[in-house]
Amino acid sequence: KAGVTQTPRYLIKTRGQQVTLSCSPISGHRSVSWYQQTPGQGLQFLFEYFSETQRNKGNFPGRFSGRQFSNSRSEMNVSTLELGDSALYLCASSLVGRGAPYEQYFGPGTRLTVT
Amino acid sequence: SQQGEEDPQALSIQEGENATMNCSYKTSINNLQWYRQNSGRGLVHLILIRSNEREKHSGRLRVTLDTSKKSSSLLITASRAADTASYFCATDAGGYQKVTFGIGTKLQVIP
Repeated sequence: KAGVTQTPRYLIKTRGQQVTLSCSPISGHRSVSWYQQTPGQGLQFLFEYFSETQRNKGNFPGRFSGRQFSNSRSEMNVSTLELGDSALYLCASSLVGRGAPYEQYFGPGTRLTVT
Repeated sequence: SQQGEEDPQALSIQEGENATMNCSYKTSINNLQWYRQNSGRGLVHLILIRSNEREKHSGRLRVTLDTSKKSSSLLITASRAADTASYFCATDAGGYQKVTFGIGTKLQVIP
């Protein structure tokens, strides 16, 4: 099976702009989670989508949003970019059932630089 | 906030030596997982240990879990240069899954 893919891999944006990142999960995986990784904060959970519904959300401002499509592909959007949004954004998919262990498969990430 | 905290934050060893990393967490969990991340790339799942298990092996990896102390350890035996990476523990408290990662341990294996 193909792994989790994320596009684009690298992105440079200017403060105030918005950005959309895309994630295609492993075929058959219906759960997609997004994480922000920075040297200072480590891996921070953004949100999780399952069957087009947001099931969990981390402590990020409303500028961070996401959605999931019927084919389980997911996008996340960051509006009004700030310098502090520069990070590696990781997407992970999982084959979940309630009560099943939650093993996540990660994509390579999108490296976002805000200037 | 981070649920898990790895210790040490950085570790440097010679090839062939064993590497031990520890993870402590704060709340009850259903399972704990360890992941590896090579520099600036995605995470790779290494091993999962359930809350009712005490020890688990996978190749050169040995994971222990002590739920009374809310801690876990990852042992990599006979380390190789290719093991150089950051290692994260991740806790799963169950319910609608929200896995929480620690800050990670940066392991350097010197050839």
